[in-house]
Amino acid sequence: NAGVTQTPKFRILKIGQSMTLQCAQDMNHNYMYWYRQDPGMGLKLIYYSVGAGITDKGEVPNGYNVSRSTTEDFPLRLELAAPSQTSVYFCASSSPQAGTNEKLFFGSGTQLSVL
Amino acid sequence: GEDVEQSLFLSVREGDSSVINCTYTDSSSTYLYWYKQEPGAGLQLLTYIFSNMDMKQDQRLTVLLNKKDKHLSLRIADTQTGDSAIYFCAENDGGATNKLIFGTGTLLAVQP
Repeated sequence: NAGVTQTPKFRILKIGQSMTLQCAQDMNHNYMYWYRQDPGMGLKLIYYSVGAGITDKGEVPNGYNVSRSTTEDFPLRLELAAPSQTSVYFCASSSPQAGTNEKLFFGSGTQLSVL
Repeated sequence: GEDVEQSLFLSVREGDSSVINCTYTDSSSTYLYWYKQEPGAGLQLLTYIFSNMDMKQDQRLTVLLNKKDKHLSLRIADTQTGDSAIYFCAENDGGATNKLIFGTGTLLAVQP
């Protein structure tokens, strides 16, 4: 039972490099999210998606892009890495239904350092 | 805008009760949540409370909600060293996409 799988677990980038953080879920969840976690700042929402082909900006989208071509996958793209993007990135998914709570399932995170 | 605030750190002795507090601003939230994050791991849902309730008990966990003051608390009875983690409260934004807004997290350190 894999749940939400993120790769890679760790990555070091040079300023200006690009990379894609992968996220896949096998629970057939419609909703997927990307958060970044900075010390003492909690989690900030970068982008989210309510279904295949639909994405929208969260609180801190600048410097990132996403796509959602399938229900399972929600990759996060950094085009020109900057030191301010050093953070731990979490992908999450959920399947909200009317009248129930929205339980998010989280991946184990990707620790990214931009030097 | 919406904001969720928590104290950053709490230290307790094993066997004591822990109380972690949270304040939020969005009165349209329908659910409020407590998530636990252990070192090197993602967040896991601990418990949640519907906004029209004022208390929910789940084994060693008690959630209290004061909707008038927009104050949420998590009480852990008989705290164990395995409870050491970061605890996040979260509210849903009450909108169509039900995005969660997380607090800054409280690091709970349990001393043996």
